[in-house]
Amino acid sequence: QSALTQPASVSGSPGQSITISCTGTSSDVGGYNYVSWYQQHPGKAPKLMIFEVSNRPSGVSNRFSGSKSGNTASLTISGLQAEDEADYYCSSYTTSYTVLFGGGTKLTVL
Amino acid sequence: EVQLVESGGGLVQPGGSLRLSCAASGFTFSSYALSWVRQAPGKGLEWVSAISSSGFSTYYADSVKGRFTISRDNPKNTLYLQMNSLRVEETALYYCAKGRVTGEWDYWGQGTLVTVSS
Repeated sequence: QSALTQPASVSGSPGQSITISCTGTSSDVGGYNYVSWYQQHPGKAPKLMIFEVSNRPSGVSNRFSGSKSGNTASLTISGLQAEDEADYYCSSYTTSYTVLFGGGTKLTVL
Repeated sequence: EVQLVESGGGLVQPGGSLRLSCAASGFTFSSYALSWVRQAPGKGLEWVSAISSSGFSTYYADSVKGRFTISRDNPKNTLYLQMNSLRVEETALYYCAKGRVTGEWDYWGQGTLVTVSS
């Protein structure tokens, strides 16, 4: 199975909003509401930011939100802050009882 | 405080074997599924394997099926990954993660580095 498709990079200025897309197929993103988003700072372990498409774990800022339409999921970060600069990965459960990750998106805060 | 501490990584020759361990604390180990996720140097995340809370059900990425075996010892609060027939391209930092088999992992270890090289 191929990785989910994410843009390699996105950027935005402090205070702005950005959206990262994650495109799969009807066998993964489109087939289940089991899409998660992870944030990873350099040299650190990934951190869960969104689960089940749009749910935030306790402690995650409400500036982070998730959504899905068809085979594409999206992560939106509003009110960009310098600390948001990181790599972001989406993941999805699949019909093969496996999990697929996206290739990752590098967010640069200008 | 939830802690996941991986160990067992190291240098191994192509075709060789290695067994990774992940010692857990701070939560009811037997109530949660666990997974292994790897990250090659400078690359993205790749899901490797998952195991249900009881250990009865196991799941593998196609790339490792038949060569890797995930297991757990609930009384010892430890997760394992037996890796056989290792390939150069499997050089990576291997993370263990707590959560659900559907991919929601709320705690991660710091990883153990596996280097496959002759």
